[in-house]
Amino acid sequence: EAGVAQSPRYKIIEKRQSVAFWCNPISGHATLYWYQQILGQGPKLLIQFQNNGVVDDSQLPKDRFSAERLKGVDSTLKIQPAKLEDSAVYLCASSFKGGRYTEAFFGQGTRLTVV
Amino acid sequence: AQSVTQLDSQVPVFEEAPVELRCNYSSSVSVYLFWYVQYPNQGLQLLLKYLSGSTLVKGINGFEAEFNKSQTSFHLRKPSVHISDTAEYFCAVNTGNQFYFGTGTSLTVIP
Repeated sequence: EAGVAQSPRYKIIEKRQSVAFWCNPISGHATLYWYQQILGQGPKLLIQFQNNGVVDDSQLPKDRFSAERLKGVDSTLKIQPAKLEDSAVYLCASSFKGGRYTEAFFGQGTRLTVV
Repeated sequence: AQSVTQLDSQVPVFEEAPVELRCNYSSSVSVYLFWYVQYPNQGLQLLLKYLSGSTLVKGINGFEAEFNKSQTSFHLRKPSVHISDTAEYFCAVNTGNQFYFGTGTSLTVIP
């Protein structure tokens, strides 16, 4: 079974530029998560989708971050414009369905460096 | 509100020695508990999870964890570590709405 796919693996941009990350979850997984992991910290949830609807985006900085999950499958996370403090690993995860019983499967992440 | 505390940010241990990584949580609702491992430049991989039933949970790579409700703890243990266990370990709680992760414990196994 294929895992969660993310691209690119690495990205370096200058501040105020824009960037987009792509995620393809495990086939059949209805729930998709985007996490931000700053060096030395645990992952922080940015947004959670159930199919193509947003379940939780309370920690998404909406003035610069946006995400979509068209057709309830793959997803794109965008940052525009980027700031230095956005340097982090962006992890995508998926689960069969939401709820307390389910584990999340993670992709390898995209390491973003803003200079 | 929910939170996860991993008391040790770094744990060095000699190869073949036992190790315990500590995790405490607080929550106003029932939680389900997980341990994930992250190898360098990789995503998170599930080690084990506690949903219900026996409080001693066994996972992959010889790891186990014990859920202690009265102490709100979910410590991870391994009786004999290998070099390949060097990684970052994250404790997490799932309230049903989202996962809350601790800040991680960096385990370094010394030959």
